[in-house]
This record gives sequence, structure tokens and C-alpha cells, in this order.
Amino acid sequence: DGGITQSPKYLFRKEGQNVTLSCEQNLNHDAMYWYRQDPGQGLRLIYYSQIVNDFQKGDIAEGYSVSREKKESFPLTVTSAQKNPTAFYLCASSIDGRRGDEQFFGPGTRLTVL
Amino acid sequence: SQKIEQNSEALNIQEGKTATLTCNYTNYSPAYLQWYRQDPGRGPVFLLLIRENEKEKRKERLKVTFDTTLKQSLFHITASQPADSATYLCALGTDKLIFGTGTRLQVFP
Repeated sequence: DGGITQSPKYLFRKEGQNVTLSCEQNLNHDAMYWYRQDPGQGLRLIYYSQIVNDFQKGDIAEGYSVSREKKESFPLTVTSAQKNPTAFYLCASSIDGRRGDEQFFGPGTRLTVL
Repeated sequence: SQKIEQNSEALNIQEGKTATLTCNYTNYSPAYLQWYRQDPGRGPVFLLLIRENEKEKRKERLKVTFDTTLKQSLFHITASQPADSATYLCALGTDKLIFGTGTRLQVFP
């Protein structure tokens, strides 16, 4: 079964702690993305990667970091520098991000900072 | 700045009617437009893609139009069913996608 997985589904963190959200896909897609969704707002792009070992900042990259060492994995670290990290985080992938291909989304991780 | 507007108020319609959702944008010239469905607490699911040189696309009970002069897309669901109740997101793209805030559709029996 091909798909995109995110873990954990729910995550709680104390202020000042870094936390890493996992995203794995077995669709053999080149492009991967991280979005943040807040109530009443659309999805906002944090980081994206169109190929292994390369990634670009999205619209709200401050306080976040990523890596793309393997094609199937694109973990997101929420650092203590992120001022308001409580949100619903969505990972997505697409065949080739430059052609407008549909994006396949994972189930999301809901992060709550206590 | 680029702006995408979807009706923030929920759309309530009766089963069997056609639901029409609107997506307007400003300060942007997208190469394509996509529509997604999102259920509460879940990731969006892709529905339709339409490119700038296309006027209309259909898929089963779904139809999307794209008017680059009016800077507007309309998304239609014909013969709507309670199972169609969800939030529908439009997304515009060139090298990356920009999402609207979504419109919640509620279909009642």
C-alpha cells in the first residue's frame, strides 16, 4: 500500500524544547512539503524539497528546520525559536513539484505547546 | 500581496441540489489551480486540477471552471449528498501552491 505517513498524530511539548515531526512516503515522489494549518487560516508553506539533499524555505520558515537525506523522508524540526508552534502540521508529496502535480497529504500531526 | 479568497461562511444546501463554491484571487497569475477536500482532523485530498489555458474540467459529479480574466474559479458539486459535507480548499500555483482558507459545505437530507 503506497502512501504518506506522519508520526506522531498528537505531540505535546514544553516551551523551550525542540521537537521533530516525522514524514515518510513510499510513493517514489521527488517533491515533499511541510505545511502548517491554524484555525480559520489556509495551509501555509513552511519548507519544501524538490530533490534529495536540497530544500527551500516557504513563506513561514522562521523557527523551523528540515533535512532531506533520503528520498522517502522529510523530517521537520520545530525549534524553540518558533514563537507560536501550536498548530496542525501537514506533510505532503508530489511526483514533480514543478509541474503542478497533485499533492498527496499525510494524516497530520497536532502539536501542542504546554 | 497575493490574496486568495474563499467564502468563510459555511454553505448549507439540501441533498440533491448543486453546490457552488467560489475562489477569487488578486495580485497573482497562477499557472494552474487545484481543489482539495478536507475532513475534520485529516489531511486534504486532491480532487481536480485545471490549468490556465483550460476553461472547464469535469470529474464525475464535480466541475471546476477557471476564468483568468475575472481571476475566479467556481467549483460545482451536482446532485450533492450528505457525504459531500466537508471543507473545500482551492490552491493556486506556479512553482508552489498557495492555499485559500477553505469553505465548509454542509449537505443536509
